[in-house]
Amino acid sequence: GQQLNQSPQSMFIQEGEDVSMNCTSSSIFNTWLWYKQDPGEGPVLLIALYKAGELTSNGRLTAQFGITRKDSFLNISASIPSDVGIYFCAAKYNAGNMLTFGGGTRLMVKP
Amino acid sequence: EAGVAQSPRYKIIEKRQSVAFWCNPISGHATLYWYQQILGQGPKLLIQFQNNGVVDDSQLPKDRFSAERLKGVDSTLKIQPAKLEDSAVYLCASSLQGSNNEQFFGPGTRLTVL
Repeated sequence: GQQLNQSPQSMFIQEGEDVSMNCTSSSIFNTWLWYKQDPGEGPVLLIALYKAGELTSNGRLTAQFGITRKDSFLNISASIPSDVGIYFCAAKYNAGNMLTFGGGTRLMVKP
Repeated sequence: EAGVAQSPRYKIIEKRQSVAFWCNPISGHATLYWYQQILGQGPKLLIQFQNNGVVDDSQLPKDRFSAERLKGVDSTLKIQPAKLEDSAVYLCASSLQGSNNEQFFGPGTRLTVL
Protein backbone atom coordinates (compact mmCIF):
# COMPACT_ATOMS: atom_id res chain seq x y z
CA GLY A 1 0.00 0.00 0.00
CA GLN A 2 0.93 3.65 -0.12
CA GLN A 3 3.41 4.75 2.52
CA LEU A 4 4.66 8.06 3.78
CA ASN A 5 8.15 8.12 5.24
CA GLN A 6 8.61 10.84 7.81
CA SER A 7 11.94 12.03 9.18
CA PRO A 8 13.38 12.51 11.61
CA GLN A 9 11.48 10.19 13.95
CA SER A 10 12.30 12.46 16.89
CA MET A 11 14.03 15.75 17.60
CA PHE A 12 15.22 17.32 20.83
CA ILE A 13 15.97 21.02 20.39
CA GLN A 14 16.60 24.15 22.40
CA GLU A 15 13.85 26.76 22.72
CA GLY A 16 14.28 29.41 20.03
CA GLU A 17 15.79 27.07 17.46
CA ASP A 18 14.25 26.45 14.06
CA VAL A 19 12.98 22.98 13.18
CA SER A 20 12.60 21.20 9.87
CA MET A 21 10.93 17.86 9.18
CA ASN A 22 9.94 16.17 5.96
CA CYS A 23 7.78 13.51 4.44
CA THR A 24 8.51 11.48 1.31
CA SER A 25 6.70 8.88 -0.73
CA SER A 26 7.28 6.75 -3.81
CA SER A 27 3.72 7.62 -4.92
CA ILE A 28 2.27 10.87 -6.21
CA PHE A 29 -0.25 12.72 -4.05
CA ASN A 30 -2.37 15.78 -4.85
CA THR A 31 -3.06 16.94 -1.30
CA TRP A 32 -0.57 17.16 1.57
CA LEU A 33 -1.56 17.96 5.14
CA TRP A 34 0.38 18.54 8.35
CA TYR A 35 -1.13 17.70 11.75
CA LYS A 36 0.01 18.08 15.38
CA GLN A 37 -1.03 15.62 18.06
CA ASP A 38 -0.72 16.37 21.78
CA PRO A 39 -0.75 13.54 24.36
CA GLY A 40 -4.24 12.15 24.92
CA GLU A 41 -5.71 14.16 22.07
CA GLY A 42 -6.53 13.62 18.42
CA PRO A 43 -4.51 15.23 15.62
CA VAL A 44 -5.22 18.87 14.80
CA LEU A 45 -4.75 20.24 11.28
CA LEU A 46 -1.94 22.82 10.98
CA ILE A 47 -1.51 23.40 7.25
CA ALA A 48 -3.14 22.07 4.07
CA LEU A 49 -1.40 22.11 0.65
CA TYR A 50 -3.28 21.51 -2.60
CA LYS A 51 -0.89 22.49 -5.41
CA ALA A 52 2.59 21.26 -6.35
CA GLY A 53 5.19 23.86 -5.41
CA GLU A 54 2.80 25.63 -3.03
CA LEU A 55 4.41 27.27 0.00
CA THR A 56 2.02 28.09 2.85
CA SER A 57 2.56 29.69 6.24
CA ASN A 58 0.56 29.62 9.46
CA GLY A 59 2.24 31.82 12.03
CA ARG A 60 5.67 30.37 12.77
CA LEU A 61 4.91 27.31 10.64
CA THR A 62 5.74 27.03 6.95
CA ALA A 63 5.05 24.02 4.76
CA GLN A 64 5.75 23.24 1.12
CA PHE A 65 4.20 20.82 -1.35
CA GLY A 66 7.09 19.30 -3.31
CA ILE A 67 7.22 19.96 -7.04
CA THR A 68 7.40 16.22 -7.78
CA ARG A 69 4.21 15.72 -5.68
CA LYS A 70 6.07 13.00 -3.78
CA ASP A 71 7.23 15.01 -0.79
CA SER A 72 6.50 17.84 1.62
CA PHE A 73 8.33 19.60 4.42
CA LEU A 74 7.31 21.52 7.52
CA ASN A 75 9.42 24.21 9.17
CA ILE A 76 8.84 25.71 12.60
CA SER A 77 10.71 28.91 13.36
CA ALA A 78 11.77 30.11 16.81
CA SER A 79 10.41 27.06 18.64
CA ILE A 80 8.66 27.47 22.00
CA PRO A 81 7.83 24.86 24.69
CA SER A 82 4.22 24.49 23.51
CA ASP A 83 5.49 23.23 20.14
CA VAL A 84 6.16 19.93 21.90
CA GLY A 85 4.14 17.09 20.41
CA ILE A 86 4.02 14.67 17.51
CA TYR A 87 3.79 16.08 14.00
CA PHE A 88 2.21 13.96 11.28
CA CYS A 89 2.19 14.43 7.54
CA ALA A 90 -0.80 13.04 5.66
CA ALA A 91 -1.63 12.87 1.98
CA LYS A 92 -4.19 11.70 -0.51
CA TYR A 93 -4.36 11.34 -4.27
CA ASN A 94 -7.80 12.85 -4.82
CA ALA A 95 -10.91 13.91 -2.92
CA GLY A 96 -12.41 10.43 -2.91
CA ASN A 97 -9.33 8.65 -1.57
CA MET A 98 -8.50 7.81 2.00
CA LEU A 99 -5.97 9.88 3.90
CA THR A 100 -2.60 8.16 4.45
CA PHE A 101 -0.55 9.25 7.47
CA GLY A 102 3.20 9.20 8.04
CA GLY A 103 4.76 7.69 11.14
CA GLY A 104 5.19 11.03 12.89
CA THR A 105 8.04 13.21 14.17
CA ARG A 106 8.20 13.62 17.94
CA LEU A 107 9.40 17.10 18.85
CA MET A 108 10.80 17.89 22.27
CA VAL A 109 11.79 21.47 23.19
CA LYS A 110 14.13 22.29 26.05
CA PRO A 111 13.35 25.62 27.72
CA GLU B 1 -18.96 24.66 19.05
CA ALA B 2 -18.61 21.22 20.64
CA GLY B 3 -15.97 18.94 19.16
CA VAL B 4 -16.09 15.25 18.36
CA ALA B 5 -17.02 13.28 21.47
CA GLN B 6 -15.79 9.76 22.16
CA SER B 7 -16.36 7.32 24.99
CA PRO B 8 -14.99 5.61 26.87
CA ARG B 9 -11.58 7.32 27.00
CA TYR B 10 -9.87 4.17 28.24
CA LYS B 11 -10.73 0.48 28.14
CA ILE B 12 -8.84 -2.57 29.35
CA ILE B 13 -10.08 -6.02 28.35
CA GLU B 14 -8.74 -9.54 28.05
CA LYS B 15 -8.18 -11.19 24.69
CA ARG B 16 -11.24 -12.85 23.18
CA GLN B 17 -13.55 -10.39 24.97
CA SER B 18 -15.76 -7.94 23.09
CA VAL B 19 -15.60 -4.16 23.25
CA ALA B 20 -17.53 -1.24 21.76
CA PHE B 21 -16.60 2.40 21.26
CA TRP B 22 -18.96 5.30 20.72
CA CYS B 23 -18.52 8.50 18.73
CA ASN B 24 -20.69 11.59 18.42
CA PRO B 25 -19.48 13.80 15.55
CA ILE B 26 -19.67 17.58 15.27
CA SER B 27 -23.25 18.65 14.58
CA GLY B 28 -23.95 18.87 10.87
CA HIS B 29 -20.98 16.76 9.81
CA ALA B 30 -22.20 14.16 7.35
CA THR B 31 -18.91 12.28 7.04
CA LEU B 32 -17.56 10.19 9.91
CA TYR B 33 -14.29 8.24 10.09
CA TRP B 34 -12.85 5.63 12.44
CA TYR B 35 -9.06 5.36 12.63
CA GLN B 36 -6.77 2.93 14.46
CA GLN B 37 -3.55 4.41 15.84
CA ILE B 38 -1.04 1.86 17.12
CA LEU B 39 1.59 3.24 19.53
CA GLY B 40 4.39 4.97 17.62
CA GLN B 41 2.50 5.04 14.32
CA GLY B 42 0.22 7.39 12.44
CA PRO B 43 -3.54 6.85 12.30
CA LYS B 44 -4.85 4.25 9.84
CA LEU B 45 -8.35 4.59 8.41
CA LEU B 46 -10.65 1.69 9.28
CA ILE B 47 -13.98 2.89 7.89
CA GLN B 48 -15.59 6.02 6.44
CA PHE B 49 -19.32 6.79 6.56
CA GLN B 50 -21.26 9.31 4.51
CA ASN B 51 -24.47 9.85 6.51
CA ASN B 52 -25.48 6.25 7.34
CA GLY B 53 -23.79 4.62 4.35
CA VAL B 54 -20.31 3.09 4.18
CA VAL B 55 -17.97 4.84 1.72
CA ASP B 56 -14.77 2.89 2.38
CA ASP B 57 -14.16 -0.08 4.67
CA SER B 58 -11.32 -1.65 2.72
CA GLN B 59 -8.94 -1.62 5.72
CA LEU B 60 -11.47 -2.86 8.30
CA PRO B 61 -10.72 -6.42 9.53
CA LYS B 62 -14.28 -7.56 8.96
CA ASP B 63 -13.85 -10.93 10.65
CA ARG B 64 -13.73 -9.19 14.03
CA PHE B 65 -14.46 -5.48 13.54
CA SER B 66 -17.84 -3.95 12.77
CA ALA B 67 -19.17 -0.40 12.73
CA GLU B 68 -22.52 1.19 12.28
CA ARG B 69 -24.04 4.64 11.98
CA LEU B 70 -27.70 3.75 11.85
CA LYS B 71 -29.25 7.22 12.04
CA GLY B 72 -26.44 9.04 10.27
CA VAL B 73 -25.30 10.85 13.41
CA ASP B 74 -23.42 8.95 16.13
CA SER B 75 -21.53 5.75 15.46
CA THR B 76 -20.27 2.66 17.26
CA LEU B 77 -17.21 0.55 16.48
CA LYS B 78 -17.14 -3.00 17.85
CA ILE B 79 -14.37 -5.57 18.15
CA GLN B 80 -15.43 -9.17 18.74
CA PRO B 81 -13.34 -11.05 19.77
CA ALA B 82 -10.38 -8.82 20.60
CA LYS B 83 -6.78 -9.85 19.98
CA LEU B 84 -3.60 -8.58 21.61
CA GLU B 85 -2.65 -6.70 18.44
CA ASP B 86 -5.86 -4.65 18.67
CA SER B 87 -4.28 -2.61 21.48
CA ALA B 88 -4.29 0.93 20.09
CA VAL B 89 -6.01 4.30 20.25
CA TYR B 90 -9.24 4.38 18.25
CA LEU B 91 -9.86 7.84 16.86
CA CYS B 92 -13.12 9.11 15.48
CA ALA B 93 -13.16 12.09 13.12
CA SER B 94 -15.87 13.98 11.27
CA SER B 95 -16.07 16.45 8.42
CA LEU B 96 -18.62 18.31 6.38
CA GLN B 97 -19.98 16.23 3.50
CA GLY B 98 -17.21 14.98 1.26
CA SER B 99 -13.74 13.77 2.21
CA ASN B 100 -12.04 16.90 0.84
CA ASN B 101 -13.18 18.88 3.86
CA GLU B 102 -11.08 19.22 7.01
CA GLN B 103 -11.37 16.28 9.37
CA PHE B 104 -11.82 17.12 13.05
CA PHE B 105 -10.62 14.41 15.42
CA GLY B 106 -11.96 13.35 18.77
CA PRO B 107 -9.65 12.56 21.73
CA GLY B 108 -9.73 8.83 21.05
CA THR B 109 -10.33 5.70 23.09
CA ARG B 110 -7.21 3.95 24.32
CA LEU B 111 -7.76 0.18 24.23
CA THR B 112 -5.46 -2.24 26.03
CA VAL B 113 -5.96 -5.95 25.35
CA LEU B 114 -4.29 -8.24 27.91
